[in-house]
Amino acid sequence: SQQGEEDPQALSIQEGENATMNCSYKTSINNLQWYRQNSGRGLVHLILIRSNEREKHSGRLRVTLDTSKKSSSLLITASRAADTASYFCATFGSNDYKLSFGAGTTVTVRA
Amino acid sequence: EAGVVQSPRYKIIEKKQPVAFWCNPISGHNTLYWYRQNLGQGPELLIRYENEEAVDDSQLPKDRFSAERLKGVDSTLKIQPAELGDSAVYLCASGRNTGELFFGEGSRLTVL
Repeated sequence: SQQGEEDPQALSIQEGENATMNCSYKTSINNLQWYRQNSGRGLVHLILIRSNEREKHSGRLRVTLDTSKKSSSLLITASRAADTASYFCATFGSNDYKLSFGAGTTVTVRA
Repeated sequence: EAGVVQSPRYKIIEKKQPVAFWCNPISGHNTLYWYRQNLGQGPELLIRYENEEAVDDSQLPKDRFSAERLKGVDSTLKIQPAELGDSAVYLCASGRNTGELFFGEGSRLTVL
């Protein structure tokens, strides 16, 4: 079973536009992480936000976390063709101490 | 720093045959995870190790799957016998405590 749900399932944007995807989860968390996966490859860690943090930035990435709503968002600004990938949110449970993934958002950036 | 190494990258077998996947995590990482990923879905946890102890194997189908982590380093995931529904990518990841995970490239299994 998967902990998080990403929305939308798929997103297609023009190069230079911003991409926003959301993640909702169900249980209490220690932290929330976002990963990227290029087709046929392993997952690559993008950013980690702790449960006591509300916003975090890393380069062109901005992540927000609202623990009262059990939701997070990932914003990719000024998208590039190389950002085409699947993006997954993953929650580290504060009770089960394991990292559980959502189903992912597939992002296509058109040149 | 060397990354997580998995082998084989691809494996095609007939149903009812056994198969094994190997993972060499990043040196110094105490946690090791095995995930299964079906096409178009997110990774699903099979088993989690802290050092050599399997601390969560609740999602591992124990009738046919087994895993071990020797001396708290390398790990092997075995399926015997394989079924058609086992076709998937098997991902290994390692990390420290509650932090980020580093993933290998995965082992893609096709069961015919």
